[in-house]
Amino acid sequence: AQSVSQHNHHVILSEAASLELGCNYSYGGTVNLFWYVQYPGQHLQLLLKYFSGDPLVKGIKGFEAEFIKSKFSFNLRKPSVQWSDTAEYFCAVKMYGATNKLIFGTGTLLAVQP
Amino acid sequence: ETGVTQSPTHLIKTRGQQVTLRCSSQSGHNTVSWYQQALGQGPQFIFQYYREEENGRGNFPPRFSGLQFPNYSSELNVNALELDDSALYLCASSLGQGSTDTQYFGPGTRLTVL
Repeated sequence: AQSVSQHNHHVILSEAASLELGCNYSYGGTVNLFWYVQYPGQHLQLLLKYFSGDPLVKGIKGFEAEFIKSKFSFNLRKPSVQWSDTAEYFCAVKMYGATNKLIFGTGTLLAVQP
Repeated sequence: ETGVTQSPTHLIKTRGQQVTLRCSSQSGHNTVSWYQQALGQGPQFIFQYYREEENGRGNFPPRFSGLQFPNYSSELNVNALELDDSALYLCASSLGQGSTDTQYFGPGTRLTVL
């Protein structure tokens, strides 16, 4: 069955540190890729998405992600995190042409210390 | 805010009871998807409705059922509640059912089954 793996369950960083969260998926066909973020007490929000074209996509709040097709990966990056980035981050995959469902990873809880 | 609303916010039921959760889509969106998010997990796809018809279903038993109304609002019904049904139930709306349609999530309904 198709699945999405997020390798880091909990990440603790100091402000201004760089961030990279891993995401790998298992599906050989064409995919659309998403990162969602859930800030404490808030609903899931779209951070960025990749459908086609340039594999490096930029999202809100300085986040970016790179799609590496050969590695089935879509890692999320931010050069310098802020305390306000404390949240849970979810990678999600949609298989092109199939039911319009999102397959989510288990999430990564990021805590940024001031 | 995404414009997707859900009610109620919280709900407590006992095992064997039935529950109905409601979702109002973002304006202009004709597709609604429902997800179950257990504690510490990513959201799991339950089913999707497009123009009042079920348009795909995840690995959930038939006691999970849904409806979509002409105004594109939606209901999730769960019969014969089990303890494992305790979770956050998320509704997401999108402009259409295509692979490139982005899903926007509501705040969720927290269901506790005792």
